[in-house]
Amino acid sequence: DIQMTQSPSSLSASVGDRVNITCRASQSISSYLNWYQQKPGKAPKLLIYAASSLQSGVPSRFSGSGSGTDFTLTISSLQPEDFATYYCQQSYSAPLYSFGQGTKLEI
Amino acid sequence: EVQLVESGGGLVQPGRSLRLSCAASGFSFDDYAMHWVRQAPGKGLEWVSGITWNSGSIDYADSVKGRFTISRDNAKNSLYLQMNSLRAEDMALYYCAKERYSYDSSGNRAGIYFDYWGQGTLVTVSS
Repeated sequence: DIQMTQSPSSLSASVGDRVNITCRASQSISSYLNWYQQKPGKAPKLLIYAASSLQSGVPSRFSGSGSGTDFTLTISSLQPEDFATYYCQQSYSAPLYSFGQGTKLEI
Repeated sequence: EVQLVESGGGLVQPGRSLRLSCAASGFSFDDYAMHWVRQAPGKGLEWVSGITWNSGSIDYADSVKGRFTISRDNAKNSLYLQMNSLRAEDMALYYCAKERYSYDSSGNRAGIYFDYWGQGTLVTVSS
């Protein structure tokens, strides 16, 4: 099974900051990597698919990069509504679509 | 507007059964694979099971294999999860999610993602 490890597990930042969240796969997953945002009491929301493709309707301050085993979600200028938990997910090892453990982004 | 509405959760004793439903609307349900993803209280996301558009391919996480059964009724635009022999560790919020393919620059299929999620239904396993 492919293990997904996110770092950091939690992160404190301020409005306007640039933030990077990293996801590492235990083996190469090409670009088969998605990012989701989850706010308390809400369902996850897709942000980025295929490592760097921005989902329709998602603000352009969100971007994704990487391939192989190392991936990054970048928020270029944090907004108040961005404080949430972020998860990466691999779809290379179908059908075992494993998620990272999550990164909680706090003020 | 795409909507996924889960139901059927509740309190159940260990070893008993429960059937979850997910009612879909706003898209051609029979064109898409569907999945169940769960989240234990205060924990991360765990993929549980997936089913192709025609039920031709079905998969389960090892943690539920042999106890859970996923199914769908395209005529009713509905997805189901039959959960038997429930354990304390199955206690979670269960989400249904719609699958989409992603493609690389050559137009070849390059993975999947979950573009829409329901609000979840809570399963509590306790005596």
